[in-house]
Amino acid sequence: DVKVTQSSRYLVKRTGEKVFLECVQDMDHENMFWYRQDPGLGLRLIYFSYDVKMKEKGDIPEGYSVSREKKERFSLILESASTNQTSMYLCASSLEEGHFSYEQYFGPGTRLTVT
Amino acid sequence: AQTVTQSQPEMSVQEAETVTLSCTYDTSESNYYLFWYKQPPSRQMILVIRQEAYKQQNATENRFSVNFQKAAKSFSLKISDSQLGDTAMYFCAFTGNQFYFGTGTSLTVIP
Repeated sequence: DVKVTQSSRYLVKRTGEKVFLECVQDMDHENMFWYRQDPGLGLRLIYFSYDVKMKEKGDIPEGYSVSREKKERFSLILESASTNQTSMYLCASSLEEGHFSYEQYFGPGTRLTVT
Repeated sequence: AQTVTQSQPEMSVQEAETVTLSCTYDTSESNYYLFWYKQPPSRQMILVIRQEAYKQQNATENRFSVNFQKAAKSFSLKISDSQLGDTAMYFCAFTGNQFYFGTGTSLTVIP
């Protein structure tokens, strides 16, 4: 079974802190994604990556950056956390570079609270 | 712009009954994929069913089936013989150049 893990289930940070969310997948998937999930808004794509060191902006990239130095790991970085970034963050991965016809496998999510 | 709309924020169904969740989408693309994902309370999101737009036949996975109407851009999910474990948030998703999710339908199965 594909396994996608995220470094923390719950995280509490202060405004202005730099925050790192880590995601690791073990099935050699090319594509990796970061979403945020908010009630009434569904999932919104922040960034995705289709290869090592490659990244593309999603719908809401402002205030976020990403890093993919190794194929299995995709990190989401909040350069200066703000309260409006309090949310559930979901990582996902899927097969085949640049194509999105395959299902995405999701991690358990990180609930981030910024105070 | 490509959008996915789920017009039913919450639904409930009696155990063993059938329920249908609605989803509409908007796209100018001719070839794409549609998905239903399930997110149980405090658990990971998993794929329920997948439909390829070029296939006319509706996808089926055990108790889950879809009604795909390409011309109407509609992709509803039917759950037959509802079980307590079907209680979850259900998301409709569309794949074109990117991946778009709807806002979700919270389904509660009542014993």
